[in-house]
Amino acid sequence: KNEVEQSPQNLTAQEGEFITINCSYSVGISALHWLQQHPGGGIVSLFMLSSGKKKHGRLIATINIQEKHSSLHITASHPRDSAVYICAVAYNNNDMRFGAGTRLTVKP
Amino acid sequence: KAGVTQTPRYLIKTRGQQVTLSCSPISGHRSVSWYQQTPGQGLQFLFEYFSETQRNKGNFPGRFSGRQFSNSRSEMNVSTLELGDSALYLCASSQGNLYGYTFGSGTRLTVV
Repeated sequence: KNEVEQSPQNLTAQEGEFITINCSYSVGISALHWLQQHPGGGIVSLFMLSSGKKKHGRLIATINIQEKHSSLHITASHPRDSAVYICAVAYNNNDMRFGAGTRLTVKP
Repeated sequence: KAGVTQTPRYLIKTRGQQVTLSCSPISGHRSVSWYQQTPGQGLQFLFEYFSETQRNKGNFPGRFSGRQFSNSRSEMNVSTLELGDSALYLCASSQGNLYGYTFGSGTRLTVV
């Protein structure tokens, strides 16, 4: 069983829809990261969270430490948001564990 | 401000050979981490260096090694290459534990 579980694995949305991607982890962490990977491999770090909520443009990330759960929300989705979104957890020893990713396709 | 630079971008090697990959972090970033990404296993943590010291290592065999130089540039080496080492190797740099990561574009290694 993966230490980091993401859902859904695949998500198709129409442009303008509100999107939620979920991430659950099994043990205490020092931080949680949301990453975006486009075709070709390049990875962009979207958020690093240790508590609460962060917002950047149309992207919102939340984390509930007690429930060991995080969500990434995309408001007013756009085809350029199509990518793989990866949740990663970091432990105190700087080790990181990654979810399998959520492949998002936004159709115009 | 220059990003994280990984060289080479693509590499083809033969089984049994060794390979060295390079990562130049963002200026001022002292932490460099390495990751392997394969279709089967996804992203996996290889190791992390901070100020020339390896702080942590993932669950990879000893054939995978790395080092960091005084200018924070890092190299990783894979010896006795196996077909299963074919992957995208990514590095990321950071100012430290409290900061996010910036990823390089990766080196795609193919072992034939």
